[in-house]
Formats: sequence, structure tokens, C-alpha cells
Amino acid sequence: KNEVEQSPQNLTAQEGEFITINCSYSVGISALHWLQQHPGGGIVSLFMLSSGKKKHGRLIATINIQEKHSSLHITASHPRDSAVYICAVRKTGTASKLTFGTGTRLQVTL
Amino acid sequence: NAGVTQTPKFRVLKTGQSMTLLCAQDMNHEYMYWYRQDPGMGLRLIHYSVGEGTTAKGEVPDGYNVSRLKKQNFLLGLESAAPSQTSVYFCASRTRTRGNIQYFGAGTRLSVL
Repeated sequence: KNEVEQSPQNLTAQEGEFITINCSYSVGISALHWLQQHPGGGIVSLFMLSSGKKKHGRLIATINIQEKHSSLHITASHPRDSAVYICAVRKTGTASKLTFGTGTRLQVTL
Repeated sequence: NAGVTQTPKFRVLKTGQSMTLLCAQDMNHEYMYWYRQDPGMGLRLIHYSVGEGTTAKGEVPDGYNVSRLKKQNFLLGLESAAPSQTSVYFCASRTRTRGNIQYFGAGTRLSVL
């Protein structure tokens, strides 16, 4: 079983919809990252969380350490949000390395 | 600032050929990483480096070698390419500060026939 599980694997939404992508992990962590992989392949970091909630524009990331779960929300989705969203964790005791989920492919249509 | 630059962007090899992928960063980052990305799998760490002259194995190091002779460059070598090494390879870098985010290159798409 993967240490980092994302759901759903694929998601299609209409423009304007509120979107939630989930990440669950089964190991102790010191931080969780959300990344975005564009259709062209480039990967950018969106958030790093160790507790609570962070917001950047229309993106909101939350984490519940006790439940070992994080969510990435996109408000008022737009076709340009279409991408693969990747969750990654820094396991306790592995300061240098990240463990990645398999990603959630999001397509937002007009 | 170019950030993290990977060369080449695409390459086709025949089984048994060798090649070197170059990753260069201009952000003075201490840590550098090589990952591979395969369909249906998350990014997997091949090798990483926490500073000039140091390297360490990641999750899937077999069949690859690396070198970090200069702080800004991290080279990934395939001595004898195999079809199982067909993948998209990403380089990333970050500062030493605990928890800092990683900056990724654009990727190298490698096919081994």
C-alpha cells in the first residue's frame, strides 16, 4: 500500500465549481506539500503545510495531523486550473526527502 | 534567473547506450535531486545530493550514477541503458533550510528502445 494516497485519481469539473482533492498518508510526517504539474509537464510547488490552513488566491490547503489527511480546495475553478495535483510528505526523520502520491488529474471545462 | 535547467529535453537511446543528463541551478541551492516519473506512479527519487561533492542513493538508484562536482550542477548517468529506464526524469533543488520547497526543472523525456 502506498504511504501517500490521493483521491480521486481523476476529476472533471465545470468552470466555477468548488473542487476538493484529498490526500491521506500512513506515516509520521513533519510537513506536507502540494504541487501542480502543468499539462506541459512542469512542476511547481503550491503549498507547504505542517498544521492548519494556508490560502493563496483561489487555492486553499488544509491539514489534519491527527487524522493524517490533507485537502486542497480550488474555489471558482477555471479551465487554466486543469493540471495534475500532487501531494507529497516529508516523513519524520527524513529531512532531505519527499514521498509523493500518484497525483489527481483535474480537468475543468467551460 | 533561469532556475533549474535540464538538458536535454528529449532523447532516444538504444539498449546498451550510455548518456548523461545535466541539471543546472542558479539559485545557490545546497540540495539537488533526481526523480523519475512513470505512468500511474508518483515521482520516485533516484539519487540526491546535500552539497557539493556528496551524493546519496534514493528509492530507485540501480542502473544510475550521479556526480556533484560543482554546487550548481548535478549529473545523472546511465551507463548501459535498458528499456525499463524509459521515463520522464526531473531534477529539483532547494535550500538547506528545513522544509523549504523544491524547485523543479522542466523534465527530460527519455525513451530506450
